[in-house]
Amino acid sequence: EVQLVESGGGLVQPGRSLKLSCAASGFTFSNYYMAWVRQAPKKGLEWVATISTSGSRTYYPDSVKGRFTISRDNAKSSLYLQMNSLKSEDTATYYCARHGTTVVTRWFAYWGQGTLVTVSS
Amino acid sequence: DTVLTQSPALAVSPGERVSISCRASEGVNSYMHWYQQKPGQQPKLLIYKASNLASGVPARFSGSGSGTDFTLTIDPVEADDTATYFCQQSWNDALTFGSGTKLEIK
Repeated sequence: EVQLVESGGGLVQPGRSLKLSCAASGFTFSNYYMAWVRQAPKKGLEWVATISTSGSRTYYPDSVKGRFTISRDNAKSSLYLQMNSLKSEDTATYYCARHGTTVVTRWFAYWGQGTLVTVSS
Repeated sequence: DTVLTQSPALAVSPGERVSISCRASEGVNSYMHWYQQKPGQQPKLLIYKASNLASGVPARFSGSGSGTDFTLTIDPVEADDTATYFCQQSWNDALTFGSGTKLEIK
């Protein structure tokens, strides 16, 4: 059974940093592209970042480019999201999600339960 | 970025057929996918690449379309289908979602 378990969320002040983690199990982690998706309270879904199987390629929307960094540790079956210069509009539940095995399979086949990040003074 | 437009809400009775639409601001080939999100839960993949049923999803769900116009159909609708349905495109580097269609079962 595919499992994705996020951690690291919490309350953080504007301008500060936070690092999210996602522990994956039930599949061969190194074979899959991985991603983060967020959802602001009572709002829709927003893609945040994608990383290739080896970690050599990363993709971001303009809203987080230069502030957020996605990374992975295939030996630990873990995905990370380093978030810097946080803004109030980054307040959301952050989901870890699994893509397919190539860049053309970038739908979100599995999702974690999410971790809430609140940016407020 | 590719903007995906969905109608905000629909209400249907159990046993009926419902079609949820998603229109893309530019062509996305067949790279449109559909998700179901129930209150308090994470989204769940229903359909990938326009018409492919995800693993474990009931055959009551189906998808169609290509280019800019796509449809998710539920037939017949059941009470448990109460949820918000999102479309998502992956044709372009910037992945985008529709704003969601909230489905109410009368």
